[in-house]
Parts: sequence; C-alpha cells; structure tokens
Amino acid sequence: AQKVTQAQTEISVVEKEDVTLDCVYETRDTTYYLFWYKQPPSGELVFLIRRNSFDEQNEISGRYSWNFQKSTSSFNFTITASQVVDSAVYFCALPMDTGRRALTFGSGTRLQVQP
Amino acid sequence: DAGVIQSPRHEVTEMGQEVTLRCKPISGHDYLFWYRQTMMRGLELLIYFNNNVPIDDSGMPEDRFSAKMPNASFSTLKIQPSEPRDSAVYFCASSPRGDYGYTFGSGTRLTVV
Repeated sequence: AQKVTQAQTEISVVEKEDVTLDCVYETRDTTYYLFWYKQPPSGELVFLIRRNSFDEQNEISGRYSWNFQKSTSSFNFTITASQVVDSAVYFCALPMDTGRRALTFGSGTRLQVQP
Repeated sequence: DAGVIQSPRHEVTEMGQEVTLRCKPISGHDYLFWYRQTMMRGLELLIYFNNNVPIDDSGMPEDRFSAKMPNASFSTLKIQPSEPRDSAVYFCASSPRGDYGYTFGSGTRLTVV
C-alpha cells in the first residue's frame, strides 16, 4: 500500500537558518502526485505544492524549495532563511491507491522557528 | 471564493449525544472528503464522495458514524451516539475533477465529555 514517512517528528531552528524537512514515500504506481501541506498553529491545512512524478526538476517558490528524487523515493522540502511565521506542522502526502482520489498523509514534522 | 466552509468550529457534547458536523465545499468541486485528525493517529480519511455519491467509506470507524451528501453544496458527518474517543478535529476538503489537490476547511474541533 502507499505509505509516507516523515521521520523527523520535531525540528527547532533559529530564525534565518535553513531547514530541510524529509519525506520518503512508497508507492506501487509508476506515475503519481506528491504533495506538501502546512498546518500553522491556527489549525487549518494549507496546500503548498503538488508535483507530478514525471517531473523531477526541483521547484522553488520564494524561500521554499522542493527536491524530488525518484531514485530514493524522496520529496524533501527546504525553507531558506526561516522565519518565525514558518512555525507549523508540515505534512507530506500522496494518493492512497491507484484510482483512489484520497490522499494518505505522513505523520507530520513540527517546525519551531525561534526568534 | 469563500473556500470550504465547516460548521461548527467547536463542539462540546456529552457522551451518548448525537453530533452533526457540516460542510459546504467549493462550488464546482466534484470531490468531497472527510478526515479526522488526532495526536495518536494523525490525519485519517473517513469517507469521500464523488458527485454526491459515497465512493470509499472504509475509514469510517463503526456504525456510529454516518455521512451524507444530499446535494453538491452540502455534506454532513453524524456521530450517534458519541463517545469520548471520538474527540478530534474533523476536516472537510474538496477538490475539482481534474486535480488531486485538496482545499481544506478550517475544521471542527469536537470534544466529547
């Protein structure tokens, strides 16, 4: 079955440090999507990015970047020059099974950015 | 667009009572999902609908839980009777037909005492 592993339970950094959140996945599908969501202290779940397995190019959006490596089944997320507002729980996700529209989520990584 | 709207935001109820959570998806989205989030189990899929039809309810914990989607703009998740172990944050999400990405509602924090 599809599985997402986020081995880092909690990370604490000081503002302006770079930080990488790891995501390792298992899938039987040859093509698939991968996602990252952010859950700030207010509790809502915010979509950050969707990547198609066809495209292994790294993605950059401002201070955020994503490194997708099919060979190692990893889809890591890096925040450059972290800020206090980046403090949140971050979830990696992928579709549950071929043909199922539902996503399965990793257990999340709690990021604390200290001022 | 108002996004996915859930109500109530918070619900405190006594064990044994019936609880109904409500969700209004984004207009035009074909898929609607109900998830539950707890510290122990993380984010779990309960059920999802496509064009108002339940597609997968394998995550519904037991017969005490039921979900309906009478039309494209409204869904309910009902727990009857509620138990303390049902305490969690319940999220509703919707997505359009051609896109796996979800938009989540703000969630309903349920506390059963």
